[in-house]
Amino acid sequence: AQSVTQPDIHITVSEGASLELRCNYSYGATPYLFWYVQSPGQGLQLLLKYFSGDTLVQGIKGFEAEFKRSQSSFNLRKPSVHWSDAAEYFCAVGAAFSGGYNKLIFGAGTRLAVHP
Amino acid sequence: KAGVTQTPRYLIKTRGQQVTLSCSPISGHRSVSWYQQTPGQGLQFLFEYFSETQRNKGNFPGRFSGRQFSNSRSEMNVSTLELGDSALYLCASSTEGAGETQYFGPGTRLLVL
Repeated sequence: AQSVTQPDIHITVSEGASLELRCNYSYGATPYLFWYVQSPGQGLQLLLKYFSGDTLVQGIKGFEAEFKRSQSSFNLRKPSVHWSDAAEYFCAVGAAFSGGYNKLIFGAGTRLAVHP
Repeated sequence: KAGVTQTPRYLIKTRGQQVTLSCSPISGHRSVSWYQQTPGQGLQFLFEYFSETQRNKGNFPGRFSGRQFSNSRSEMNVSTLELGDSALYLCASSTEGAGETQYFGPGTRLLVL
């Protein structure tokens, strides 16, 4: 069965420090992978996505993620965190089927706090 | 383009009542998916509609239903509300569906008393 694991429930970093949020997935075929961010009381905003090709993908707000098939991972990184990055981050795998429909399977999320 | 819109944004109901939530997708998007978000269960897929047909359904009881109209707008309905139905209900839209990026609305916060 498809699943997504985000091992870290809470992470606290200092402003200006680097960030890496971990994501591991379980999926039989080549997955579609996404990172979304959610601010309190808001919907989900897409940060970046991986469908195929270059395994290092760039997203919005200075985020990037690297797809590693051998490790079944899709970790999110940012070289220098800003206070406005404090939010909850969700990794998701898109389950696509020949019938054309799709659904997102989400990890439990990682809540990021940023210290000034 | 305007984003995904959901109405109402907040809703308070009592146990046993029913509720209808509405979602307007991004113009040109024909696939609409619904998700439930709770602190205990996280984000869970409810169902997906494409061209007025339900193509995929998550593991939720029959009290949860939905539909899609010819203009791709979608509604979801929850009958006989239970306390555990309190959640943020998120709608997402995408183009053809399979593997395409889903864009989320702001959600409807439902509180069941």
